[in-house]
Amino acid sequence: QVQLVESGGGVVQPGRSLRLSCAASGFTFSSFGMHWVRQAPGKGLEWVAVISYDGTTKYYEDSVKGRFTISRDNSKNTLYLQMNSLRPEDTAVYYCTSEADGDYWGQGTLVTVSS
Amino acid sequence: DIQMTQSPSSLSASVGDRVTITCRASQGVRNDLGWYQQKPGKAPKRLIYGASSLQSGVPSRFSGSGSGTEFTLTISSLQPEDFATYYCLQHSSYPYTFGQGTKLEIK
Repeated sequence: QVQLVESGGGVVQPGRSLRLSCAASGFTFSSFGMHWVRQAPGKGLEWVAVISYDGTTKYYEDSVKGRFTISRDNSKNTLYLQMNSLRPEDTAVYYCTSEADGDYWGQGTLVTVSS
Repeated sequence: DIQMTQSPSSLSASVGDRVTITCRASQGVRNDLGWYQQKPGKAPKRLIYGASSLQSGVPSRFSGSGSGTEFTLTISSLQPEDFATYYCLQHSSYPYTFGQGTKLEIK
């Protein structure tokens, strides 16, 4: 069965960096685009970024452009989100989700940006 | 960027009620719209894709309609497990955008 497992969340100070990972299994990872979606505590869902199946095309939500980088390693079936210059407003649960047929989400990883 | 305006932001209803949630897009998104259900502490779950197609495994009491700029999610007869928060998502153009959410509560 399809599984997406995020990791790498934690508490980080403003201005610092963090890298999230999303390990995929149960489908042909290299054939599908992948997304990151986040949800601040008590708030709604916010789309963050997408990467094409081969990693050549990427799009970002405006508030993370220039600070976050989405990438993937198809040999490791893993999606990444490099988050630099973190701000308190980046505090959220970060989910990875796949464009594979069906509806697949990870369980989320919490990022807390606080001094 | 396309703005998605979802209404109402909250809704109180009873088991067996019929409820409708609306999303309006600031510009046309064709039928590139999905509806999601989220329960506390859980990842979202897609109910509807392509504005009106029922996701596999989702009960038939859920239905979606609309195209262009106006969309609706209807639950024909509320069940206890349907009390949750619902979001629309446009995936017509980047950046993708969600509606603000509708919290459906028990009356």
